[in-house]
Amino acid sequence: DVKVTQSSRYLVKRTGEKVFLECVQDMDHENMFWYRQDPGLGLRLIYFSYDVKMKEKGDIPEGYSVSREKKERFSLILESASTNQTSMYLCASSPSQGYGYTFGSGTRLTVV
Amino acid sequence: SQQGEEDPQALSIQEGENATMNCSYKTSINNLQWYRQNSGRGLVHLILIRSNEREKHSGRLRVTLDTSKKSSSLLITASRAADTASYFCASDSGAGSYQLTFGKGTKLSVIP
Repeated sequence: DVKVTQSSRYLVKRTGEKVFLECVQDMDHENMFWYRQDPGLGLRLIYFSYDVKMKEKGDIPEGYSVSREKKERFSLILESASTNQTSMYLCASSPSQGYGYTFGSGTRLTVV
Repeated sequence: SQQGEEDPQALSIQEGENATMNCSYKTSINNLQWYRQNSGRGLVHLILIRSNEREKHSGRLRVTLDTSKKSSSLLITASRAADTASYFCASDSGAGSYQLTFGKGTKLSVIP
């Protein structure tokens, strides 16, 4: 069964910490995505990547960066965590344009 | 930017009844997709309908697409308690777009 694996289900970090959220897919997909999900706001796209070492900003990139050194791994980095980044973070991948996404189980991040 | 908006926000029905959820979007699309999310988990891809299709079926799911009205509907027939979840529509932004924009979802409760 195809899989997108997010390294942590729950994470608690302190304000100002640098936080790494890891996502790995085993399907040889070209495209990978990071979304955050908040009550009342739905899913919002942070960054996506359509190839190794390529990245594009989504709707809310401020305060985040990403890294994709290998095709299977897409990391989301919170440069200096703030309480307003407390959220559910969802990673997804797709084979190419025009296909459905496969999502990971999500990482619920709390910044205190 | 919110491309898709679902209606209603919440829906409660008895087991065995049909559930209909609607989605509207703003710009031209290549395809529209529906996803399901069980509480606190990642999203699961249900069905994709392309802009040149009007209707698509998958098991107990029926999706329609009206590009002239920029709207779609998801019908779940003979609902079961296990269908209780949030349902999201997601659309791309036409040719050349990699990413999907998600609506805020419809929360479906199926009462046994």
